[in-house]
Amino acid sequence: AAGVIQSPRHLIKEKRETATLKCYPIPRHDTVYWYQQGPGQDPQFLISFYEKMQSDKGSIPDRFSAQQFSDYHSELNMSSLELGDSALYFCASSLGVLYQPQHFGDGTRLSIL
Amino acid sequence: DAKTTQPTSMDCAEGRAANLPCNHSTISGNEYVYWYRQIHSQGPQYIIHGLKNNETNEMASLIITEDRKSSTLILPHATLRDTAVYYCIVRVPSQNFVFGPGTRLSVLP
Repeated sequence: AAGVIQSPRHLIKEKRETATLKCYPIPRHDTVYWYQQGPGQDPQFLISFYEKMQSDKGSIPDRFSAQQFSDYHSELNMSSLELGDSALYFCASSLGVLYQPQHFGDGTRLSIL
Repeated sequence: DAKTTQPTSMDCAEGRAANLPCNHSTISGNEYVYWYRQIHSQGPQYIIHGLKNNETNEMASLIITEDRKSSTLILPHATLRDTAVYYCIVRVPSQNFVFGPGTRLSVLP
């Protein structure tokens, strides 16, 4: 079965640079979620979109923004990168926002030098 | 979201059933119980979820007590590949998931 696709799988940036992470949800899924997982930490919710509208917001820094496009894929834009942004970034998708489970991609490992 | 309490770690012999408990004593009537696992920095993997009835799928069984204050995830025949961090999450529909800290399950040969 098709899964959530994230690109790139690995990304290396320097401080103050920008980065864009992409997420392609499972076909027919209309809801996308972004999570950040720092070293040795549990995944933390950043932001979600349902039908291209922001549906919930977590601990997402103001330097980050995201959107969901008409084909339901989503992009997480990160600016003025800091060393502390080094983490795994997971995208998940679901069918609707109610009780259906979220299905996660394999993540993007972002390293800030 | 209701808080959950899980053991920090557990061991299980390969081939035996792994029973992972979760306490969610403050769960409200419309909160579902979800179980995920994460194998070494891979994306969290959905296992099973339920509201009040016991559930079973090809991966596991979920037993929810009648008062819904606790649940148990059962992996019927644990293998080495089941070694992972297991997260029990309770969630009101439409809210995001709150992970942590989970149970680190080690399946031993």
